Amino acid sequence: AQSVTQLDSQVPVFEEAPVELRCNYSSSVSVYLFWYVQYPNQGLQLLLKYLSGSTLVKGINGFEAEFNKSQTSFHLRKPSVHISDTAEYFCAVTEGSGGYQKVTFGIGTKLQVIP
Amino acid sequence: IAGITQAPTSQILAAGRRMTLRCTQDMRHNAMYWYRQDLGLGLRLIHYSNTAGTTGKGEVPDGYSVSRANTDDFPLTLASAVPSQTSVYFCASSSLAGWDEQFFGPGTRLTVL
Repeated sequence: AQSVTQLDSQVPVFEEAPVELRCNYSSSVSVYLFWYVQYPNQGLQLLLKYLSGSTLVKGINGFEAEFNKSQTSFHLRKPSVHISDTAEYFCAVTEGSGGYQKVTFGIGTKLQVIP
Repeated sequence: IAGITQAPTSQILAAGRRMTLRCTQDMRHNAMYWYRQDLGLGLRLIHYSNTAGTTGKGEVPDGYSVSRANTDDFPLTLASAVPSQTSVYFCASSSLAGWDEQFFGPGTRLTVL
């Protein structure tokens, strides 16, 4: 069975500093990986996704993530955060097998950007 | 309508009452999902539907039912609400089951007293 671990429930960071939000997954088969962002009182929206190919994936708002198969990780990074990046970030995984693909979400990491 | 809409935005409900949360999408997506979001637990899948006419149980289906009479609508019904069903409920859809990104509605905040 697949699972997702987001190691940090909250990450405070000063504006213009870099940030990394960690995500590790567990699966016995190939996976597809996603990062979603949730702004206050809104639904989730996709930041970026890894399906195949290059392990470095670039997303919206200057975010990027790197798929590391040996470490089963998909950490999200941004070199310089802005106040508007304050939100909750969810890592998600789905397994690459046939039929219906169940998506498993992590519990989320709240990013607080400090002015 | 653009994307996914949910209604109501919020609701306070007495325990034991029946409640239907509505979800409509205009993207002609095959797959639709209902999640509940609770503090410290993230998003948990309640029910899903791969295509009109079919539904399946997710991680936490007890106390909830769904129907998928057509492509656009995917209502979630609480037959007899209990306080543990107090949560924020999100509907989502995707063009392909699972590996494609999911598009989320704005959520329904439900309080059961």
